[in-house]
Amino acid sequence: DAGVIQSPRHEVTEMGQEVTLRCKPISGHNSLFWYRQTMMRGLELLIYFNNNVPIDDSGMPEDRFSAKMPNASFSTLKIQPSEPRDSAVYFCASSFGLARNEQFFGPGTRLTVL
Amino acid sequence: DAKTTQPPSMDCAEGRAANLPCNHSTISGNEYVYWYRQIHSQGPQYIIHGLKNNETNEMASLIITEDRKSSTLILPHATLRDTAVYYCIVRVAGTSGTYKYIFGTGTRLKVLA
Repeated sequence: DAGVIQSPRHEVTEMGQEVTLRCKPISGHNSLFWYRQTMMRGLELLIYFNNNVPIDDSGMPEDRFSAKMPNASFSTLKIQPSEPRDSAVYFCASSFGLARNEQFFGPGTRLTVL
Repeated sequence: DAKTTQPPSMDCAEGRAANLPCNHSTISGNEYVYWYRQIHSQGPQYIIHGLKNNETNEMASLIITEDRKSSTLILPHATLRDTAVYYCIVRVAGTSGTYKYIFGTGTRLKVLA
């Protein structure tokens, strides 16, 4: 199994541009999580999905952030417009339901907004 | 807010046991304790979890106090590759019968040669 796949691995963009981060969860997993990690705030849960349905988006910082999961094998996190304070490493993780609680994390996307 | 507190850093000699403490004094009766670690800038990696009994797997042991207000992760024979940030997490109930992790600041473990 390839594990959780995230793309791109690195993204550098200018303030005001739209940024789209992508995630492919492990096949068969039905829960997907988006996290953000910064030095100041550590690892923060932004949003998570169960069976492709957003369950809790209370961690999404503001309306500039949106996430979708159109099918079981793909999710996107979009920032529009991006700001320098959005610079962080964004991790996607997936897990299999409630019985198998371990979350598998992807390698992350390092976002730099200039 | 994180429900756990951990020391910010620890050192351990290679080959010795590393004992990482965690306080979770506000844990509820049905909330599990999880441990993950993050090596350099990689994604966090699952280590072990438990509810009230001690647990052991191929990576580590988890000792949970009887009152469940604290726990200790034990790496029995630490190697240089165990140098990482270790997160103690309480899994809390989310909505619609789901669960989520609230990460704290973790303990930066350095294994010394």
